[in-house]
Amino acid sequence: DAGVTQSPTHLIKTRGQHVTLRCSPISGHKSVSWYQQVLGQGPQFIFQYYEKEERGRGNFPDRFSARQFPNYSSELNVNALLLGDSALYLCASSLEDRGTGATNEKLFFGSGTQLSVL
Amino acid sequence: DAKTTQPTSMDCAEGRAANLPCNHSTISGNEYVYWYRQIHSQGPQYIIHGLKNNETNEMASLIITEDRKSSTLILPHATLRDTAVYYCIVRTANTGNQFYFGTGTSLTVIP
Repeated sequence: DAGVTQSPTHLIKTRGQHVTLRCSPISGHKSVSWYQQVLGQGPQFIFQYYEKEERGRGNFPDRFSARQFPNYSSELNVNALLLGDSALYLCASSLEDRGTGATNEKLFFGSGTQLSVL
Repeated sequence: DAKTTQPTSMDCAEGRAANLPCNHSTISGNEYVYWYRQIHSQGPQYIIHGLKNNETNEMASLIITEDRKSSTLILPHATLRDTAVYYCIVRTANTGNQFYFGTGTSLTVIP
């Protein structure tokens, strides 16, 4: 079975440009989350989507946006790129969202998109 | 924000058990402890998780103290392929899939 797939694997952009990153979750998974990982740090939560609705947003500027499609795939968009946006962008999927109470869902991560902003 | 504290780095001899500690003194009663690891430039890989009881799977064992304020991940027979950054995460209730990663423990398995 295919895991979480992300495209592209690597991307080089210049400051001020726009970028779109794509993610396909594991078959049957309805929840997709996006994380940013700057070199030397742990992943930082950006967004979570479940059934095409935003379920959570991390502390990121409005330049970051995302959406989820009917087939549960997702896009992360970043406008007006800054040098500080250079990072590994990770997508994770899980089977379902149980947003309340004690939850024990596993997140399955893709290999990420390495974005370099010059 | 991350609610866990881990040592920055550790070494372990190949074939020996690797014991990775984690402090989560502010954990709530319904919050799970998760462990993930990340090999260079790859996505984090799920290892194990638990709530109160000790857990074991094919990869590792998780020992949670009775007061739940700390835990230890045990890799019973470390191999060179276990060299990675290991993250201890407290899964905060009511925040869906918002996993808060810290900086983790960089484990180096030495031949």
